[in-house]
Amino acid sequence: EPEVTQTPSHQVTQMGQEVILRCVPISNHLYFYWYRQILGQKVEFLVSFYNNEISEKSEIFDDQFSVERPDGSNFTLKIRSTKLEDSAMYFCASSVKTPTNTGELFFGEGSRLTVL
Amino acid sequence: QKEVEQNSGPLSVPEGAIASLNCTYSDRGSQSFFWYRQYSGKSPELIMSIYSNGDKEDGRFTAQLNKASQYVSLLIRDSQPSDSATYLCAGDLSGNTPLVFGKGTRLSVIA
Repeated sequence: EPEVTQTPSHQVTQMGQEVILRCVPISNHLYFYWYRQILGQKVEFLVSFYNNEISEKSEIFDDQFSVERPDGSNFTLKIRSTKLEDSAMYFCASSVKTPTNTGELFFGEGSRLTVL
Repeated sequence: QKEVEQNSGPLSVPEGAIASLNCTYSDRGSQSFFWYRQYSGKSPELIMSIYSNGDKEDGRFTAQLNKASQYVSLLIRDSQPSDSATYLCAGDLSGNTPLVFGKGTRLSVIA
């Protein structure tokens, strides 16, 4: 069964360092998303991406964050200068269509980011 | 602020009973709703989607949507200990927007 894959599964970094989280969405999906979940809290939307550009982003997704689809298969989330409060589980998701067009989001296993 | 609200629980039910999970949402423009199951430390796993008023059944799971009351529910029949998890309700509030998730309801099925 096709699945969304994410690497790394866990990354520990020092505050102020750059981090890149990688995702390979399901191959025939067109919409890609990053969500994050701080321990014990709700799953929060960060950004959606379609046709090689950001389609929507939340208030969390500030100038420290960027996304890219560098090679037609990978979808990356970059955090330029990590802060302690960036520590969270980051989930990549993909869908065939946006949720309003009966698209369903399928999530990867997540990348746990720990900022020290 | 557009929200999806859930009782955080925990909801404890005995094995074999029906578990009833509830969710309300703030925006009447919402079109699509989803139930996800999340085991501790794992990613959300899609259980069911529902788009129109009424009931939708899939195996032991039944999703119910009432757009007039802005209410979504999930029933789990013949609950098993393996159903113990956090259940997340999500909706596309205002339509054509990424999913907004509730905080989740923690379900514990007691053997």
